[in-house]
Amino acid sequence: DQQVKQNSPSLSVQEGRISILNCDYTNSMFDYFLWYKKYPAEGPTFLISISSIKDKNEDGRFTVFLNKSAKHLSLHIVPSQPGDSAVYFCAASAGNQFYFGTGTSLTVIP
Amino acid sequence: EAGVTQSPTHLIKTRGQQATLRCSPISGHTSVYWYQQALGLGLQFLLWYDEGEERNRGNFPPRFSGRQFPNYSSELNVNALELEDSALYLCASSLRPGTAYGYTFGSGTRLTVV
Repeated sequence: DQQVKQNSPSLSVQEGRISILNCDYTNSMFDYFLWYKKYPAEGPTFLISISSIKDKNEDGRFTVFLNKSAKHLSLHIVPSQPGDSAVYFCAASAGNQFYFGTGTSLTVIP
Repeated sequence: EAGVTQSPTHLIKTRGQQATLRCSPISGHTSVYWYQQALGLGLQFLLWYDEGEERNRGNFPPRFSGRQFPNYSSELNVNALELEDSALYLCASSLRPGTAYGYTFGSGTRLTVV
């Protein structure tokens, strides 16, 4: 039972353009959401988070948007850079553990 | 500051054998979490240890077990290995147990069952 879903396994974007990664969840009790970035042969690293009391959080080139009514969050990367090429996981929490999506592989084309 | 360290990096076992994976959390972190990332799947929660005790476990059979030592390092044991246990096993630690402060992950152990 996948409570957090990333329906796009992969995404290709031209360098300098916007990358939009999407994530849907089913559990309305989730109150904290995170994005992790994973390079091959490395563990996921924390990227950005958002609490359910907000609808937007920004950190440099990265912005996360949360739409609670649609149970949807998205990660915007602007401008995209080749170094952003990685697998991105969204995660949601309702307390003491996180539920992860299956990941979206982003390729930024120079 | 050293990050979360996992050993071994790679492990090859035969079906039916036992595998032991190890994790050392970041200094000061008392919680350790284990996740399985099988091909095509997201990170599936396996186990959560805090202060030496198992706090929660995911939907995995009992042959997946582990423990946490007094120094907060942890072991994941997988008994009676099956081919579908082949996966990347990730360990994460956090500073505040049971809160959404995010994890710091290790680089993982790639387990291959043949």
